Amino acid sequence: AQKVTQAQTEISVVEKEDVTLDCVYETRDTTYYLFWYKQPPSGELVFLIRRNSFDEQNEISGRYSWNFQKSTSSFNFTITASQVVDSAVYFCALSEELLNRDDKIIFGKGTRLHILP
Amino acid sequence: DVKVTQSSRYLVKRTGEKVFLECVQDMDHENMFWYRQDPGLGLRLIYFSYDVKMKEKGDIPEGYSVSREKKERFSLILESASTNQTSMYLCASSLWGMNTEAFFGQGTRLTVV
Repeated sequence: AQKVTQAQTEISVVEKEDVTLDCVYETRDTTYYLFWYKQPPSGELVFLIRRNSFDEQNEISGRYSWNFQKSTSSFNFTITASQVVDSAVYFCALSEELLNRDDKIIFGKGTRLHILP
Repeated sequence: DVKVTQSSRYLVKRTGEKVFLECVQDMDHENMFWYRQDPGLGLRLIYFSYDVKMKEKGDIPEGYSVSREKKERFSLILESASTNQTSMYLCASSLWGMNTEAFFGQGTRLTVV
């Protein structure tokens, strides 16, 4: 069965510090997709990244970077030089490749990140 | 600018009322989803639909039903609202299932009193 674990419920760091959000997943499939979403105080989830199981290359987008390691079933998210605007709840999610169309995404419980000025 | 719009941001309803939460997307997406978000529980899938008039149960469908009469609109129905359905409800849409990027609405915070 699918499962996504975000062990960190809440994190607080001072602005400009680096912070890593952990995500560990479980799946029996060889083909799957991993996602990160950001939910700012306004409430709307915003897509950050999608990674398929065959692409273990790490990704960097500005201050954001993602480390995908199949050996440890982890897909961690690092914010470098954090800013107050990064304060939000971050969700890691998993979707499996299914033969029919009723594929669905499973979310972790989220990590609330506070960036202190 | 792509958009998923939920009809209400905040709702207060009484126990036993029939409640409709509406969601409209303008991206011509096949798939639409309803989640509820509760502290400590993350997002849990209630129902989803991959085509007009099609629906599939998610992880917590009890007490809910859905309607998709048109491609752009997906309604969540609480047949008889109860206090344990007080929650944040999020609608999402995507192309060809959730393996692609999903777009979320701003959420409806429902309070049942």
